[in-house]
Amino acid sequence: DVKVTQSSRYLVKRTGEKVFLECVQDMDHENMFWYRQDPGLGLRLIYFSYDVKMKEKGDIPEGYSVSREKKERFSLILESASTNQTSMYLCASSTNSGSQETQYFGPGTRLLVL
Amino acid sequence: DQQVKQNSPSLSVQEGRISILNCDYTNSMFDYFLWYKKYPAEGPTFLISISSIKDKNEDGRFTVFLNKSAKHLSLHIVPSQPGDSAVYFCAASGSGGGADGLTFGKGTHLIIQP
Repeated sequence: DVKVTQSSRYLVKRTGEKVFLECVQDMDHENMFWYRQDPGLGLRLIYFSYDVKMKEKGDIPEGYSVSREKKERFSLILESASTNQTSMYLCASSTNSGSQETQYFGPGTRLLVL
Repeated sequence: DQQVKQNSPSLSVQEGRISILNCDYTNSMFDYFLWYKKYPAEGPTFLISISSIKDKNEDGRFTVFLNKSAKHLSLHIVPSQPGDSAVYFCAASGSGGGADGLTFGKGTHLIIQP
């Protein structure tokens, strides 16, 4: 079974703080993703990575950065947290299998920025 | 512009009956479609997928139908059970490699009534 873990289930931070969200997968997947989920908006892609040290912007990268120093770990960084970044953050991973892949998600981190 | 649309925010179905969740897409480059199920405070769980070369895929109580000409897919759950109550997300990906993020709909909240 694919296992994707996220470092925290719940986080409370203050405006302006630097926030690190960590994600680890144990299936040697090449691809990793960060989404945020907001009511009425579904899941929106923030950043993704298809290889170590590689990163690509998703649909809503503003205010975020990422780091992928090791294949199994993908970190999402909020350089200066703002209240509009209060959300559920979901990490996912997938492997390359032709042109189609299934993404497997972690349990999510619910972030509250005060 | 929303490329994957789930027009029903919620759906209520009696236990034992069929649940039909609908999804429309606009991007003709999408060639792989997935359904995810999500409980509150958990990450999405992969349910079933379908490639654009097929029009039907079945897995136990779950069947996904794809109508490419109408750019429409649906998820059928028969019979519906109380544990099926969750938010269901339709997602799509395009050709060109397995590393791209998925495009999600906004979700449909399925409620199974006893």
